[in-house]
Amino acid sequence: AQKVTQAQTEISVVEKEDVTLDCVYETRDTTYYLFWYKQPPSGELVFLIRRNSFDEQNEISGRYSWNFQKSTSSFNFTITASQVVDSAVYFCALSEAQNAGGTSYGKLTFGQGTILTVHP
Amino acid sequence: GAVVSQHPSWVICKSGTSVKIECRSLDFQATTMFWYRQFPKQSLMLMATSNEGSKATYEQGVEKDKFLINHASLTLSTLTVTSAHPEDSSFYICSAKHYREAYNEQFFGPGTRLTVL
Repeated sequence: AQKVTQAQTEISVVEKEDVTLDCVYETRDTTYYLFWYKQPPSGELVFLIRRNSFDEQNEISGRYSWNFQKSTSSFNFTITASQVVDSAVYFCALSEAQNAGGTSYGKLTFGQGTILTVHP
Repeated sequence: GAVVSQHPSWVICKSGTSVKIECRSLDFQATTMFWYRQFPKQSLMLMATSNEGSKATYEQGVEKDKFLINHASLTLSTLTVTSAHPEDSSFYICSAKHYREAYNEQFFGPGTRLTVL
């Protein structure tokens, strides 16, 4: 069975601080996909990143960066110089590959979510 | 970009009534759609996988007779909550998977907030 654990239930920081959201996953699959989503108060999920298990390269996108460590089954998310607009619930998710080639993914298993509050 | 809509965005109903929620892929065809449920301050939990033209696959613990799913076309899946009760009050979110496997993307709808009085 697949499992995603986000141990941090809530994080509170002051604007301009860096913050890292942790995500640890469990899966028996050798090919899988990892995701991060942002859910603002409106409820709509905002896609942030997708990474497949073949690609352990870390990624940076503006103030966002992701650290994928297969050896520790972790996929952590860092926001640099946080802003008030970053306040939201952040979900890490995992999906198994749906085909033999591992080029397609299916249903998502979500972590419990981390509530991030950035104070001015 | 690919857009998934849900209708209605919110609904309030009386206990015992049935409510239908629509999930539409507006600019792409989706052979597979997923239905998730999110209770307040909790995570998203998959309810069922809906495949066009076939019966939905329900997750363990989800009553298929209570949550009726119909995926009649490549752009529309519906979730009907039958005989809704207050404990069914939740945020229901669908996602749609692009029919072309090579275009390996799923897109989430904006969600439907159901309140059962």
